[in-house]
Amino acid sequence: QVRLVQSGAEVKKPGASMQVSCMTSGYTFSSYTVHWLRQAPGQRLEWMGWINTGNGNTKYSPKFQDRVTITRDTSASTAYMELTSLRSADTAVYFCARDGSSYSNIVAYYFDYWGQGTLVTVSS
Amino acid sequence: TVLTQSPGTLSSSPGESVTLSCRASHSVSSNYLAWYQHKPGQAPRLLIYDASIRATGIPDRISGSGSGTDFTLTISRLEPEDFAVYYCQHYGISAALTFGGGTKVEIK
Repeated sequence: QVRLVQSGAEVKKPGASMQVSCMTSGYTFSSYTVHWLRQAPGQRLEWMGWINTGNGNTKYSPKFQDRVTITRDTSASTAYMELTSLRSADTAVYFCARDGSSYSNIVAYYFDYWGQGTLVTVSS
Repeated sequence: TVLTQSPGTLSSSPGESVTLSCRASHSVSSNYLAWYQHKPGQAPRLLIYDASIRATGIPDRISGSGSGTDFTLTISRLEPEDFAVYYCQHYGISAALTFGGGTKVEIK
């Protein structure tokens, strides 16, 4: 079965960087785009960006463009999301999710499988 | 496009049916509207996409409908595992990607 398993919770200081991993199984990793989203306490889910796991192309939300980097390791079927210059407003649960399109060059922007979420707390 | 979900919380009993609403501030192109179920500490689960198409493994007692600006998720014969938070999402292009604020379905 399709599974996306994320790395564990983290506590970070303001100004630091964070990286969350998303290990996938149960399908051909390079055939589906992987997205990253987050949900801050009391806030709505928010899309951060995606990576084409086949060719490595990325697209980021303008809100995070200058602070986020999404990468992948095809040999490990794993995607990574790095966010830099952390501030308290970045405290959130971060999710990876598989795009709903089975065509690797078409991004549907809905999400058919999700990781369990990773809580990142930014606090001094 | 802003998505407004109502009610915020819905109390119901197993066996009953519930209807959740998602209203968009602008017309949703091509009915690009999805519904998700989310339980605390778990991965969100896709229920419906393209407004009315059930995702893989979703039972037919869960259905989506609507077009334009008004969309509905109906869950018939509530089962214990249905008590959760439900989100709608508009998609199509990255700039259109927004989520509703959620409806919590709780046990009465």
